[in-house]
Amino acid sequence: DADVTQTPRNRITKTGKRIMLECSQTKGHDRMYWYRQDPGLGLRLIYYSFDVKDINKGEISDGYSVSRQAQAKFSLSLESAIPNQTALYFCATSDLRGNEQFFGPGTRLTVL
Amino acid sequence: GESVGLHLPTLSVQEGDNSIINCAYSNSASDYFIWYKQESGKGPQFIIDIRSNMDKRQGQRVTVLLNKTVKHLSLQIAATQPGDSAVYFCAENIGGGADGLTFGKGTHLIIQP
Repeated sequence: DADVTQTPRNRITKTGKRIMLECSQTKGHDRMYWYRQDPGLGLRLIYYSFDVKDINKGEISDGYSVSRQAQAKFSLSLESAIPNQTALYFCATSDLRGNEQFFGPGTRLTVL
Repeated sequence: GESVGLHLPTLSVQEGDNSIINCAYSNSASDYFIWYKQESGKGPQFIIDIRSNMDKRQGQRVTVLLNKTVKHLSLQIAATQPGDSAVYFCAENIGGGADGLTFGKGTHLIIQP
C-alpha cells in the first residue's frame, strides 16, 4: 500500500462549489504539506502543518483552508472554487527534520 | 521574490549518454537542496539531496553538484535509460525545511533511442 494517499484522484466541479481534498499517510510523520502544481510551473506551497495543533500558510494560501484532523490526516478545502484553482494538488509528508518530503499521487482538480 | 529556476525546459539525450540538468537558485540563505523526479501521472519522487556544506554528492547513477559561488546546482545522470524519462525538479529550503520546499519549474528529460 502507498505511504501517502490522496482522495479523490480526479475531480471536476463548478465555480462556487465547496471542495475537500483528503490526504492520509502511514509513514508516522509529523509534518504534512499541501502543494499545487500548474503546467510549466513547479510545485507551490499552499499550507503546511507540523502537528495537529499547528497550521501555517504557505506561498499561495488565499482561497484555501486546511484541517489537520489527526497526525495521519491533512485535508485541503476550497470554500468556493474558482476556475483558476484548476490544477494538480499534491500532499506531502516529512519527518521532524523536514528535508526529504514524500509525495502522494496527486489530485487533478478541474473547476468549470 | 527569490526563487529557484531551471535553465532549460526540455532536454533530449541519447540512450546511454550522460544527462546534465541544471538549476539556478537566488536565495543565498538556502542550505539544503533536493532533486525530484516526476513521472507522468505521479507525484515527485526523491532522487538525491545535498547540503550547502558539500560540493558534490553521489548516488546510484546520479551525482549532484553544488556551486555556491554562482548559486548553481546540477544533476548528472550516468548512462541514461528510457526509465529516466521524466520531469526533474530542483527544490530548496532553508534551515531544515521548516517552511516547506521551494521548487523550480522543472526540466523535461526526453530519452532518444
